[in-house]
Amino acid sequence: GAVVSQHPSRVICKSGTSVKIECRSLDFQATTMFWYRQFPKQSLMLMATSNEGSKATYEQGVEKDKFLINHASLTLSTLTVTSAHPEDSSFYICSGKTSGGHQETQYFGPGTRLLVL
Amino acid sequence: AQSVAQPEDQVNVAEGNPLTVKCTYSVSGNPYLFWYVQYPNRGLQFLLKYITGDNLVKGSYGFEAEFNKSQTSFHLKKPSALVSDSALYFCAVRSFGGYNKLIFGAGTRLAVHP
Repeated sequence: GAVVSQHPSRVICKSGTSVKIECRSLDFQATTMFWYRQFPKQSLMLMATSNEGSKATYEQGVEKDKFLINHASLTLSTLTVTSAHPEDSSFYICSGKTSGGHQETQYFGPGTRLLVL
Repeated sequence: AQSVAQPEDQVNVAEGNPLTVKCTYSVSGNPYLFWYVQYPNRGLQFLLKYITGDNLVKGSYGFEAEFNKSQTSFHLKKPSALVSDSALYFCAVRSFGGYNKLIFGAGTRLAVHP
């Protein structure tokens, strides 16, 4: 399957600082990438859809000014958590969608664990 | 609206026994269905998908899933469970329109005991 990487895998930051998470598709071009948040023992919650060269589409209830998404190329999307607070601590996972019509598949990165102190 | 249900929070199986992780779906039109597995502190790994064709889909690590249209189910199966199969399993259906995002079930934790 296709490979998606995330960096960093783990980050600890102080409250009020901003944190950037990178998501890269290593062996395919991902016109569309997705950002998810996962709380312990829960399913994935879609935060936003990131499209190369255009503004991200945010899910209801997700603050676009707090979670900045940039999809600058076909292989890179970034999520910046601005002015992070302890309640932003979570596991953030990205995915890239392969092209191919009805055969398209989402491949997921390994996740980034964010801890805000 | 599309939805996915995984009725079991946890499934316990003895090593070597067959396993089944259940998934039912609700969609309008033909469903595109997926199974993913998540190991602790990791992202999701793609196991298999059903788009069209044979109702029995074979995937990675010896897993397979059976699409049953009349029962709107897509249960994940494996003939002989391994301790290393212990993980969190997610069923998902693709929504149509927009960016074809995935709608996930709540997840089922599989515990395989030696």
